[in-house]
Amino acid sequence: DARVTQTPRHKVTEMGQEVTMRCQPILGHNTVFWYRQTMMQGLELLAYFRNRAPLDDSGMPKDRFSAEMPDATLATLKIQPSEPRDSAVYFCASGPGSSGNTIYFGEGSWLTVV
Amino acid sequence: DQQVKQNSPSLSVQEGRISILNCDYTNSMFDYFLWYKKYPAEGPTFLISISSIKDKNEDGRFTVFLNKSAKHLSLHIVPSQPGDSAVYFCAASAEVTNFNKFYFGSGTKLNVKP
Repeated sequence: DARVTQTPRHKVTEMGQEVTMRCQPILGHNTVFWYRQTMMQGLELLAYFRNRAPLDDSGMPKDRFSAEMPDATLATLKIQPSEPRDSAVYFCASGPGSSGNTIYFGEGSWLTVV
Repeated sequence: DQQVKQNSPSLSVQEGRISILNCDYTNSMFDYFLWYKKYPAEGPTFLISISSIKDKNEDGRFTVFLNKSAKHLSLHIVPSQPGDSAVYFCAASAEVTNFNKFYFGSGTKLNVKP
């Protein structure tokens, strides 16, 4: 059963600490996304990779957020330093990289910054 | 500026009746649309899609309608069941230029009462 795997599922951290969230996309998928769910904005697109190359990270606060794909099986989203306003659910999704297809979401990483 | 909008944060419907969820978009380049369903503490799961070459797509109890001139789509659930209670997100992409890159609305929480 192919699925997108995210770790950690839950994270509580103190303001100022570094947070790293990891994602294993579905094998064979070459587009990977990071979304953030907030009450006001719904699902915000933070970053978009195709074939491991970052195509769009315009939705990400550049000063503290960074997203990378060290290899085809791992995507990371890092926040340094974290702030209370970063508290949200972060979703990773992957897609097959062809037109007319859907993208598949992981179960999310619940981040609380205190 | 949100390119995909769901203006109703919530909807309550009696079991057996029709649920109609609405979604508007602003980008005329969008040509592929998805609906996702999300239960608490889970990631969004794909429900139904529609391409801009169609104005209707049906899958069991779920039908999506697309009105390109109005930049509007709707999801109809008939008959509604208590298990349909969830948050529904619509999403849109411009497949020709950026396939798989989906913009999401803020979601509509559907409550189906027994």
